[in-house]
Amino acid sequence: DTEVTQTPKHLVMGMTNKKSLKCEQHMGHRAMYWYKQKAKKPPELMFVYSYEKLSINESVPSRFSPECPNSSLLNLHLHALQPEDSALYLCASSQDVGGTGAFFGQGTRLTVV
Amino acid sequence: EDQVTQSPEALRLQEGESSSLNCSYTVSGLRGLFWYRQDPGKGPEFLFTLYSAGEEKEKERLKATLTKKESFLHITAPKPEDSATYLCAVQASQGGSEKLVFGKGTKLTVNP
Repeated sequence: DTEVTQTPKHLVMGMTNKKSLKCEQHMGHRAMYWYKQKAKKPPELMFVYSYEKLSINESVPSRFSPECPNSSLLNLHLHALQPEDSALYLCASSQDVGGTGAFFGQGTRLTVV
Repeated sequence: EDQVTQSPEALRLQEGESSSLNCSYTVSGLRGLFWYRQDPGKGPEFLFTLYSAGEEKEKERLKATLTKKESFLHITAPKPEDSATYLCAVQASQGGSEKLVFGKGTKLTVNP
């Protein structure tokens, strides 16, 4: 099983709403990632968790708050987003943090209105 | 600064017309180079990992090769279902090794 599952697939939220994106993997991977992808652009790294600890934050605004409750789950909490935050949010996992391929989920299409 | 450049940006082929996509990179010590396929609105699908110059990997009509400065994704006798954006990414062995640095991708269209 090489599957990373993301929910929801689509999300529309207002600028005053609070919502969460969820990601799950059961491959025993110890590194998990959040990426943001705008149309016709490559994925941009947001956060990296290694062994359930945040190891990289790519200067992401505080309106995005990651959480790793356990080694299989990764959440991204959203509040007070702006329309320009509308994008495809991708979760990925890899066996460890270096030198192994990362497997991506199908993404959550987020629209901020 | 680690950089990945993919060319061409877009490529149109006729079904059965073989070609290659290029990924050139500069990185402070290569830990791994990765190829992904991405369909519109979907997450990237992992294809290959290459670690050292001279290494080759194959999967169906795709073959990936690696030199010290670039990687090629060769597509032999492509079919319309091979149409997608192909992304190349590198991971450095020094400083911030968790990061994948992506190229901008090559959009491949295969016409029947």
